[in-house]
Order: sequence, then C-alpha cells, then structure tokens
Amino acid sequence: SAVISQKPSRDICQRGTSLTIQCQVDSQVTMMFWYRQQPGQSLTLIATANQGSEATYESGFVIDKFPISRPNLTFSTLTVSNMSPEDSSIYLCSVDLVRGRYYGYTFGSGTRLTVV
Amino acid sequence: DAKTTQPPSMDCAEGRAANLPCNHSTISGNEYVYWYRQIHSQGPQYIIHGLKNNETNEMASLIITEDRKSSTLILPHATLRDTAVYYCIANPFNDYKLSFGAGTTVTVRA
Repeated sequence: SAVISQKPSRDICQRGTSLTIQCQVDSQVTMMFWYRQQPGQSLTLIATANQGSEATYESGFVIDKFPISRPNLTFSTLTVSNMSPEDSSIYLCSVDLVRGRYYGYTFGSGTRLTVV
Repeated sequence: DAKTTQPPSMDCAEGRAANLPCNHSTISGNEYVYWYRQIHSQGPQYIIHGLKNNETNEMASLIITEDRKSSTLILPHATLRDTAVYYCIANPFNDYKLSFGAGTTVTVRA
C-alpha cells in the first residue's frame, strides 16, 4: 500500500527559478530523507530532515541550494533553488517505516525535474 | 560502509529462478546485507536483509556465505514485473545512510 505521497510527480522549470517538492507520509516518522538520482545514475543522499531541528546535509549539498522544511512528523519539503540544467534529476523522499517484520526504508515515487 | 560489487546486468527467463550475486568482501561484523530494487520510474523498494543467516520472505530469499563475503538474492519464479535495477547494500542496522551503488539491471524475458 502507498505510504508516501510526493508532489509534483514531474515538472519542467526555467533556469534560475526554484521548485518546492512536497513529501507527505501517512504515519508519523522521526526521520525523513531526501535523495537525488541524476540521469542514468544511482541514488545519492542529499540530507536528513528531523522534525524540530535543522536538516543535516551530506557532503556536496548545501542549505542555500536545497533548503528543507520539516514542520511536523508526517511532512517535509525540499526546495531546489536557483535551478540550472545540472539540477535535472529525480528527487525522492524516504522514511524509515517499521511495519511487521520490515526494517527497510520506504521511498516515494519521486519527482522528475527537468530544468531548461 | 563496505563496498559491494554486482554485475552490471543479467537476463533471466520468466518463470525461472533468478540468482543475483553480490560481493562484499570488506563487510564488517555489524553490517547487514540489504537488497532493494528500483522498477523504472518508481522509487526503490526494500526486498530483504540479513546478517549471517539465510533469510526468506514473500518476495525473495537471501543466501549469505559463511564468511559473509558474498551473497545471492534469489527470486524464485521471476516474472516480467521483476524487471528492475537491483541494489545490494552493506550497512549497519538502522544506519540511514544507504549507499546505493550502480546495481544490477535485471531483465526478465518471456
């Protein structure tokens, strides 16, 4: 069953603009994660979003470029700022949902971003 | 985290078992082996994980060698819907920093 909803599913944006991606979870979770998947590449963790604290960014990613909000335990947003064509990627959110004997991380379907 | 090595691609026949190998020769004692897959245009999906014992669930079986330096994911009866990129990840339990490598592109053919 679907537990993560990401919006928008895809978008085409002009360079220099910003796009905010939303991630809604149907359960309260402590940690939410944002990944980037560049064309033909594997996934790279951008940052970890904890409710009530600043997001923790991985090497190579900065808050000015990828500001993240986490207003409550079921929702987070990732903004891609001042976009360039190099930002064209799929952006995915992920959460740690323990259900039954699952211990894996659950991913949203992603937001396919094209910057022109 | 230990680096894993997987073949870049493999084909298998529909209805047959698919055996996906993964090498993790530098795996640490506290690192589990996780398998995820990513079907085209979807987010990754958790399949199974294990530490040192073989594991089975409704999706697949995981066979880990006694020395833990390699493992095999087995899809018992592959279907066309199993066509995906399969990722083998060695990670401490509940370490959220999953390191996705290139994975194996599995194509199931009718």
